[in-house]
Amino acid sequence: KAGVTQTPRYLIKTRGQQVTLSCSPISGHRSVSWYQQTPGQGLQFLFEYFSETQRNKGNFPGRFSGRQFSNSRSEMNVSTLELGDSALYLCASSYPATRPRAGELFFGEGSRLTVL
Amino acid sequence: GESVGLHLPTLSVQEGDNSIINCAYSNSASDYFIWYKQESGKGPQFIIDIRSNMDKRQGQRVTVLLNKTVKHLSLQIAATQPGDSAVYFCAETDSGAGSYQLTFGKGTKLSVIP
Repeated sequence: KAGVTQTPRYLIKTRGQQVTLSCSPISGHRSVSWYQQTPGQGLQFLFEYFSETQRNKGNFPGRFSGRQFSNSRSEMNVSTLELGDSALYLCASSYPATRPRAGELFFGEGSRLTVL
Repeated sequence: GESVGLHLPTLSVQEGDNSIINCAYSNSASDYFIWYKQESGKGPQFIIDIRSNMDKRQGQRVTVLLNKTVKHLSLQIAATQPGDSAVYFCAETDSGAGSYQLTFGKGTKLSVIP
């Protein structure tokens, strides 16, 4: 069974540009969450999508957005990039129904974004 | 805001010894706790979890202890091996909140000395 796949794995952008990251969840998983990981702030929750709807959003500015498609694949977008957006962006998928079980949360390898 | 934190940022242990990694949490609504292991260049990998109605749970070479009175969580790794070298994160969630959001601690780097 394939794991969570994130593309691209590495990318370099300059300030002011925008970036789109993609996540393909494990087959059958309907929930996709995104996390930002930096040395200073650690792992921080960005948002979670379930059945194409955003269920929850973390404390990030509106430049950070996402969406989920009918096949559960998800994308996140960051517009007007800032130096501080340099981070590892992690996607995680799960198959929660009404009561999430943390044991079913599987992470991808991440997309490492560098903003110059 | 409420967050999960760690007492020790780094931990070095001799191969074969037991390791103990500690974590403090502050959100009283959290009822589910998870330990993740993250190796260099990889995403976090689930190790073990525990619900708030338990105070101990054992896995293969790992044990998680939960002390709700002092809001403390620990991960014990028995007979630590070089392959255990990684960063370990505790995470908490309110599983009744209706969505899946984990709050992670800052992480502890475990180095195993051969």
